[in-house]
Amino acid sequence: EAAVTQSPRSKVAVTGGKVTLSCHQTNNHDYMYWYRQDTGHGLRLIHYSYVADSTEKGDIPDGYKASRPSQENFSLILELASLSQTAVYFCASSDRGPSAETLYFGSGTRLTVL
Amino acid sequence: QQKVQQSPESLIVPEGAMTSLNCTFSDSASQYFAWYRQHSGKAPKALMSIFSNGEKEEGRFTIHLNKASLHFSLHIRDSQPSDSALYLCAVKDTGNYKYVFGAGTRLKVIA
Repeated sequence: EAAVTQSPRSKVAVTGGKVTLSCHQTNNHDYMYWYRQDTGHGLRLIHYSYVADSTEKGDIPDGYKASRPSQENFSLILELASLSQTAVYFCASSDRGPSAETLYFGSGTRLTVL
Repeated sequence: QQKVQQSPESLIVPEGAMTSLNCTFSDSASQYFAWYRQHSGKAPKALMSIFSNGEKEEGRFTIHLNKASLHFSLHIRDSQPSDSALYLCAVKDTGNYKYVFGAGTRLKVIA
């Protein structure tokens, strides 16, 4: 089973502060993703990456930056946290190729911005 | 931009019933269609996926895809209380690795 590890599991941040969420995968997968989950919105894509040192914007990138320093690690950065960024954040990875479509998710980070 | 919608938003069924969940999408050229299940407080986990029109059965679960109708569904035979969860459908855009999810259907199976 593919393994994706997120840290921290939960975090409380102050408005205007900087927050970094980390994700580590040991599956040798090329693709990594950051999603946020809010009640009634399912999972919405923030940023994704298909190779180290490169990231792509997803559907809701405003207010977020991403960093992929290596194949295994993918971070999500909130430079100036806002109340509206309170949510659960999931990291996921997937392999390359037409028969390797499954997304493997980490356990999530519950972020509360006060 | 791909639009993915699920129905119903929530569903309560008795144990042993057949449960049907629906998902519509907007891009007929999409390639990958999947259902993910998320138990409360847990990560989403892939349940089933399909690539071409038709049906696929795995145990009590059946996925059905009709690209012409822009619709796919998940059917759960003999629903169990352990099936109670949030079910998310996902569609992968053509030409990239961007997965778009629906808002989810919350299923409760009562004993």
